[in-house]
Amino acid sequence: DAGVIQSPRHEVTEMGQEVTLRCKPISGHNSLFWYRQTMMRGLELLIYFNNNVPIDDSGMPEDRFSAKMPNASFSTLKIQPSEPRDSAVYFCASSSLGIEQFFGPGTRLTVL
Amino acid sequence: AQSVAQPEDQVNVAEGNPLTVKCTYSVSGNPYLFWYVQYPNRGLQFLLKYITGDNLVKGSYGFEAEFNKSQTSFHLKKPSALVSDSALYFCAVRASNRDDKIIFGKGTRLHILP
Repeated sequence: DAGVIQSPRHEVTEMGQEVTLRCKPISGHNSLFWYRQTMMRGLELLIYFNNNVPIDDSGMPEDRFSAKMPNASFSTLKIQPSEPRDSAVYFCASSSLGIEQFFGPGTRLTVL
Repeated sequence: AQSVAQPEDQVNVAEGNPLTVKCTYSVSGNPYLFWYVQYPNRGLQFLLKYITGDNLVKGSYGFEAEFNKSQTSFHLKKPSALVSDSALYFCAVRASNRDDKIIFGKGTRLHILP
């Protein structure tokens, strides 16, 4: 199994631009999670899906952030417009039966 | 509400010595407990979990953790530390009767000194 796949691995963009992060969960996993990691705030859960349905988006910082999961094998996290304070490493993780989560390698986002 | 506490930001251990990384938790009902490790510029890797059964859980890379219900703790241990164990370690908890959300601690940076 290839594990959780995220793209791009690095993204550098300018303030105000739209950013789209992509995630392919492990085949057969029914839960998907988006996290953000920064030095200041540590690891934060942004949103998670169960069977493609958003269950808890209380961690999404503001309306500039949105996430979708159109099918069981793909999810996106979009930031529009992006701001320098959005600079972080964004992780996607998936799990089966709600037990341990398996993390992707992350996308390092830099907003200038 | 569920919560996890990792009281030490950093732990320093000499190579070859035993190591302990502390974790305490708060959850309603029975807990599912996890340890993850993060190496530089990598995602979190699952190390071990406690769901039910034996309180001593063995995981990857020679690590183990002991579930202590009375002290609500789940400390990570290894009998003999390696320099390659240096990394960021996260404890996490989920209530067994709740949804899929796992609560992560803030992490403990482990430095193994050669």
